[in-house]
Amino acid sequence: SQELEQSPQSLIVQEGKNLTINCTSSKTLYGLYWYKQKYGEGLIFLMMLQKGGEEKSHEKITAKLDEKKQQSSLHITASQPSHAGIYLCGADIKGGNEKLTFGTGTRLTIIP
Amino acid sequence: GAVVSQHPSRVICKSGTSVKIECRSLDFQATTMFWYRQFPKQSLMLMATSNEGSKATYEQGVEKDKFLINHASLTLSTLTVTSAHPEDSSFYICSARRMHGYTFGSGTRLTVV
Repeated sequence: SQELEQSPQSLIVQEGKNLTINCTSSKTLYGLYWYKQKYGEGLIFLMMLQKGGEEKSHEKITAKLDEKKQQSSLHITASQPSHAGIYLCGADIKGGNEKLTFGTGTRLTIIP
Repeated sequence: GAVVSQHPSRVICKSGTSVKIECRSLDFQATTMFWYRQFPKQSLMLMATSNEGSKATYEQGVEKDKFLINHASLTLSTLTVTSAHPEDSSFYICSARRMHGYTFGSGTRLTVV
């Protein structure tokens, strides 16, 4: 079973609308990373969260990590075609910077 | 910034042959690198952790003898897919751990015909 679950699996949003992607684990997340990927290409780092309750923003993207450090959300405001792609959350689940495990991914499509 | 160079970006090989993929850290030393595999419309699945100067640690279900990993220097890790078969066709991507995060290569698309 996947240790990190993302929802939704796919999302079709009209340009200009807001959207939220969730990343959930039954275990404590030590370091939560959000990446964007165009299929078949490398990963683009978006944000990293470590502390419970932490929130970071960059341009129109905001990521939050809940107080229990088991759930993170990525929110995009006023979506644009450039936001289309696959969004992946990754986390060090076991602690101690051991390895990065990825969520199931969310495929985002922006329609004009 | 820290860059990880991965080569080749695309490779097509015949069934039964071996293919080597290289991952180099260009401006930093990477004692630990990771190899992932991504099938179409799926997420990245960790295959193994590569440690400089020691044996790689493989995830459950990954065949050690099929996916040979060598991390002989602080800047280079290689993944060799031995006796490749069409089911090994996938997108392979490496990552290097840094002090405050991870840097990823651009990936290698392997097609076995």
